[in-house]
Amino acid sequence: EAGVTQSPTHLIKTRGQQATLRCSPISGHTSVYWYQQALGLGLQFLLWYDEGEERNRGNFPPRFSGRQFPNYSSELNVNALELEDSALYLCASSLGWGQSGFQPQHFGDGTRLSIL
Amino acid sequence: AQSVSQHNHHVILSEAASLELGCNYSYGGTVNLFWYVQYPGQHLQLLLKYFSGDPLVKGIKGFEAEFIKSKFSFNLRKPSVQWSDTAEYFCAVTSSGTYKYIFGTGTRLKVLA
Repeated sequence: EAGVTQSPTHLIKTRGQQATLRCSPISGHTSVYWYQQALGLGLQFLLWYDEGEERNRGNFPPRFSGRQFPNYSSELNVNALELEDSALYLCASSLGWGQSGFQPQHFGDGTRLSIL
Repeated sequence: AQSVSQHNHHVILSEAASLELGCNYSYGGTVNLFWYVQYPGQHLQLLLKYFSGDPLVKGIKGFEAEFIKSKFSFNLRKPSVQWSDTAEYFCAVTSSGTYKYIFGTGTRLKVLA
């Protein structure tokens, strides 16, 4: 089966710009999660989408937003980029919450976002 | 707030040594517990999980973990590590009450051949 795919692999932006990151989940998975992995900080939970709805978000400012499309793929948008937004952004997918609560996640390779 | 602590940030072992990586969480309700591993150049993948039942769970590649509810712990163990176990290991906790997947900061394991 095809895994979770993320694009682009690398993204270079300058302060104040906007970035869009994309994620395609494994076929049959309806939950998509976004994480920020900054150096030394582990995975910080950003957003969780399930069946097209935002179910929860982490402690990030509103300039981090996203959406999930009818085919369950997802976008993460980061507005007004700041230097500290430089990080690896990971997407994960799983079977939907409604099927049996939280399930193991399958991760993509991430998008490396660099802010100059 | 729910949190996960992995106290060992870097661990160096020789091959055949025993491994125990600590994981403690702070949520008192019903939890699901996971260990994920990231081998060099690869994406994160599931090592093992605990949902309910036997608190001693076995995962892939000879790893196991024990859920001790009274200690809020879910430590990862392996009796004899191999060079190929060199990787970063992440503990994660979910709970239906918070609707979040919380990861620890990870432990980098280096196994010397």
